[in-house]
Amino acid sequence: ELQLVESGGGLVQPGRSLRLSCAASGFTFDDYAMHWVRQVPGKGLEWVSGINWNSGNIDYADSVKGRFTISRDNAKNSLYLQMNSLRPEDTAFYYCAKDNTVAGTRGAMDVWGQGTTVTVSS
Amino acid sequence: AIRITQSPSSLSASTGDRVTITCRASQGISSYLAWYQQKPGKAPKLLIYATSTLQSGVPSRFSGSGSGTDFTLTISCLQSEDFATYYCQQYYNYPRTFGQGTKVEIK
Repeated sequence: ELQLVESGGGLVQPGRSLRLSCAASGFTFDDYAMHWVRQVPGKGLEWVSGINWNSGNIDYADSVKGRFTISRDNAKNSLYLQMNSLRPEDTAFYYCAKDNTVAGTRGAMDVWGQGTTVTVSS
Repeated sequence: AIRITQSPSSLSASTGDRVTITCRASQGISSYLAWYQQKPGKAPKLLIYATSTLQSGVPSRFSGSGSGTDFTLTISCLQSEDFATYYCQQYYNYPRTFGQGTKVEIK
């Protein structure tokens, strides 16, 4: 079964850091690009960051550029999101998602984790 | 960034109705458009990719069409399990962008 499981969310003060992890199973992890997508409760989906299969192509939403860093460890079938200088507006549910194109640069997101909650508040 | 304008933001419909949701991209995205369904408390689920390709396991009452800048999701005969929020998303380039969502409610 294809599965993504996020962890690492929690309550953090503004300006502090948090690292999210996403453990993948059931597919060849290093064949696919991966993404982080977030959602404020009751609001829409916002793409946060994406990384291709070999970490050679990475991009971020303007809202997190310079503060968040996406990375992956293909040996551990894991995706990460290092979030620094957190702001209250980063409060959201964070999902990791898998691209549906093998070694491609353009893919829809066909597998999603259950998400992890990040709350930034003093 | 490519802006995606999705409409309507919500609609009320009855079981058996035909429902259409549209997305317009601020620039051409070829066929790199996907549709997702999200139910409360759940992760989004991929319904359609490449504008019109049905994801495995998705009922055939869902269909997608369009190209360039204008795209449509159609549910041909609405079922009770289809009441949810739907999002379109472009994956032509980075940053990936989503439409604002359409909440399909029971009339």
